[in-house]
Amino acid sequence: NFMLTQPHSVSESPGKTITISCTRSSGSIAGNYVQWYQQRPGSSPTSVIYEDNQRPSGVPDRFSGSLDTSSNSASLTISGLKTEDEADYYCQSYDSNSHVVFGGGTRLTVL
Amino acid sequence: EVQLVESGGGLVQPGGSLRLSCAASGFTLGSYSMHWVRQAPGKGLEYVSTIGSNGGSTFYADSVKGRFTISRDNSKNTLYLQMGSLRTEDMAVYYCARDSCGSNCYSYYFDFWGQGTLVTVSS
Repeated sequence: NFMLTQPHSVSESPGKTITISCTRSSGSIAGNYVQWYQQRPGSSPTSVIYEDNQRPSGVPDRFSGSLDTSSNSASLTISGLKTEDEADYYCQSYDSNSHVVFGGGTRLTVL
Repeated sequence: EVQLVESGGGLVQPGGSLRLSCAASGFTLGSYSMHWVRQAPGKGLEYVSTIGSNGGSTFYADSVKGRFTISRDNSKNTLYLQMGSLRTEDMAVYYCARDSCGSNCYSYYFDFWGQGTLVTVSS
């Protein structure tokens, strides 16, 4: 099975832009869609990006997703940071054998 | 409005069993594949299991294979997770989640999640 590796934490000031990476250990990052979930403290996860770069209805366009095949990684970028963006973010993907994998999660602090 | 409500969590001794339920409303359960995902206290999300829309196909994480069984009763709009031979490392909040794909397919994009139910494994 493959793994998805994320930074443990990131922090930035309101109004700035951050990028969270998600590196796939084996198999192509472009071979299977990547999703991103936001989990605020005490709440269930909700999706902010699906199918690599699609935003669910209601998610602001400050959130965007992309792939970098050269580093075999996906990225979540949040621009114009707001204090309400403070949360844990998880990437998630799968493989052809229906193995579903979540990244370890990244805690975003908006100072 | 899509809603998923888990129940059945609680305290169980190591080696014991528990059955979780996930009641679906606001959509036709039988038209979607469904998943269970868990989160140990203070830890990240971990995939547990998947079941196809008609119950014909099931998948499990290696960590629960042979001990957990996923099932569904589409007539009752309810998803289940039967957990056996429970270990302390199974202690977690268990979430049910809907697959976005629809009947007889899997996208592995979890578009709706329940609020979770806590399973505590302790003697």
